[in-house]
Amino acid sequence: QQQVKQSPQSLIVQKGGISIINCAYENTAFDYFPWYQQFPGKGPALLIAIRPDVSEKKEGRFTISFNKSAKQFSLHIMDSQPGDSATYFCAASMETSGSRLTFGEGTQLTVNP
Amino acid sequence: ETGVTQTPRHLVMGMTNKKSLKCEQHLGHNAMYWYKQSAKKPLELMFVYSLEERVENNSVPSRFSPECPNSSHLFLHLHTLQPEDSALYLCASSRRAGGSYNEQFFGPGTRLTVL
Repeated sequence: QQQVKQSPQSLIVQKGGISIINCAYENTAFDYFPWYQQFPGKGPALLIAIRPDVSEKKEGRFTISFNKSAKQFSLHIMDSQPGDSATYFCAASMETSGSRLTFGEGTQLTVNP
Repeated sequence: ETGVTQTPRHLVMGMTNKKSLKCEQHLGHNAMYWYKQSAKKPLELMFVYSLEERVENNSVPSRFSPECPNSSHLFLHLHTLQPEDSALYLCASSRRAGGSYNEQFFGPGTRLTVL
């Protein structure tokens, strides 16, 4: 019940294309959905996050789309750049879970020049 | 130093060794965390400390022993590890331990190899 399923495991996109990473969850008590970005040799860093009371959040080229009824959320990277090549993790947490972030398995994104 | 730092960055140890991982946060946060990151697996939360008090311990084997002497420093003491313990160990911190919308800031990790 605490799992977050992420797909695809790896993704290759051409420069300028759209990268889409999907996550699905089971626990309807989750109320915070962050995406983390991790470059090789670095720890994950918060990229963008959404609450379930909105269906979309955009920050620059990064957009989260949230479908509460389907219990799914996705990250869209518009105009993908080689510098976006990294591993992306979705996560979820709830107010009552304290500090626990439940992470997806990660997606390794490669953007070819 | 800024953010969250971890030392050493790489560690190779035998199964009978004793070693320690160190984490330091320079953000004035009150909560610190240890995570284990293995290939193609979700990050696994190991321990959580809030104001130097352990508030969460997720069924981690006793061969991993955390220590939080103050809100800026966190250690993970290792002894008699197994090869399957080889992984990237990440430290993180946040303003507080509870609640949502609570951004966690990660260090670069220690790559541990157990021979």
